[in-house]
Amino acid sequence: DIQMTQSPSSLSASVGDRVTITCRASQSISSYLNWYQQKPGKAPKLLIHAASTLQSGVPPRFSGGGSGTEFTLTISGLQPEDFATYFCQHNYIVPPSFGQGTNLEIK
Amino acid sequence: DVQLLDSGGGLVQPGGSLRLSCVASGFSFHNYAMSWVRQAPGKGLEWVSSVSGSGDGTYYADSVKGRFTISRDNSKNTLFMQMNGLRAEDTGVYYCAKDLTAAGREVFDYWGQGTLITVSS
Repeated sequence: DIQMTQSPSSLSASVGDRVTITCRASQSISSYLNWYQQKPGKAPKLLIHAASTLQSGVPPRFSGGGSGTEFTLTISGLQPEDFATYFCQHNYIVPPSFGQGTNLEIK
Repeated sequence: DVQLLDSGGGLVQPGGSLRLSCVASGFSFHNYAMSWVRQAPGKGLEWVSSVSGSGDGTYYADSVKGRFTISRDNSKNTLFMQMNGLRAEDTGVYYCAKDLTAAGREVFDYWGQGTLITVSS
């Protein structure tokens, strides 16, 4: 099975900051990488699929990059509603798996 | 609008059974693979199982293989998960999730609100 590792596990930032979260796969997954946002008590929300394709309705301050084994999620100009937990997920093969999550907190 | 309403969770003793349901609306249900994803309290997300749009193809995480059975009734736009032999480590919120495309590649664009399962004596 493919293991997904996110860094950092937690991150403190201020409104307006630019932050980057990294996700590494234990083997190459091409561009089969997705990012989700989850707020407490809510279901996850798809932000980006295929490493860099913004899901419909997601603000353009979110961007994704990378391929192979290393990927990034960047949020440019943090807004108050962006403070949440972010998960990466590969869908290269079954079983798909998620990173452990990155908790983005207000500084 | 796409809606997924999952239900069927509750408190169950170890070794017990539960059946989860997820009623879908707002899209052509039979065209899309569907999945169950779970989240233990305070933990991350774990894919549990997927089923193809027709219901012919099913896939399971090793942790539930042989105990859980995914199925769907396309005439009723409903996804199911029969859960037998429940263990404490199965405790968590279970979400049904829709695939982004008809190709069914485990990219989850819509999620249910989640149903909580607690396995405890």
